[in-house]
Amino acid sequence: EDQVTQSPEALRLQEGESSSLNCSYTVSGLRGLFWYRQDPGKGPEFLFTLYSAGEEKEKERLKATLTKKESFLHITAPKPEDSATYLCAVRKSSGDKLTFGTGTRLAVRP
Amino acid sequence: DAGVIQSPRHEVTEMGQEVTLRCKPISGHDYLFWYRQTMMRGLELLIYFNNNVPIDDSGMPEDRFSAKMPNASFSTLKIQPSEPRDSAVYFCASSNTGGEQFFGPGTRLTVL
Repeated sequence: EDQVTQSPEALRLQEGESSSLNCSYTVSGLRGLFWYRQDPGKGPEFLFTLYSAGEEKEKERLKATLTKKESFLHITAPKPEDSATYLCAVRKSSGDKLTFGTGTRLAVRP
Repeated sequence: DAGVIQSPRHEVTEMGQEVTLRCKPISGHDYLFWYRQTMMRGLELLIYFNNNVPIDDSGMPEDRFSAKMPNASFSTLKIQPSEPRDSAVYFCASSNTGGEQFFGPGTRLTVL
């Protein structure tokens, strides 16, 4: 059974304090790993897709990386507006469904 | 460019009533997904369609839930009869060729 585990559950950072979020996955044949950002009261917003180990993608202060067992979302010099829940999801090679983790709630204090 | 549109945004109903949630996917997308999000269980896939055809409904909790997609620009999720444990936020998402999914703003359902 596909499994996605995110850690930590919650993270509080000071503005400018860089850190990383972890997404560990177990899936039979990865077709893609997806990162989303969700603000309170809104739907998840797509950030990145990673397809193979070693791949990296960046957007502003965020960088996502992928290995064969996990993905990291690195946040460099975060700002309060980066506060949100970050979700990761996997899609396996035999289907079109995404299996989501339970997310990391990030709070960045000014 | 409009994203995924859902209605209503909020729904409060009494136990036993029928509830219908609506979704308009992004034009040109051929996949549509219905999810339910709760604090306890996170984001769960209920059912998804490809080219208006239901492909996998294994996440539909029970027979009280049904979903239809009569055409490429409209889908409904119906709960009949509704129960308090159905209270959650329901999201619709669409994608092109099953890749990145784009989510709507959600419908917050409260069943009293």
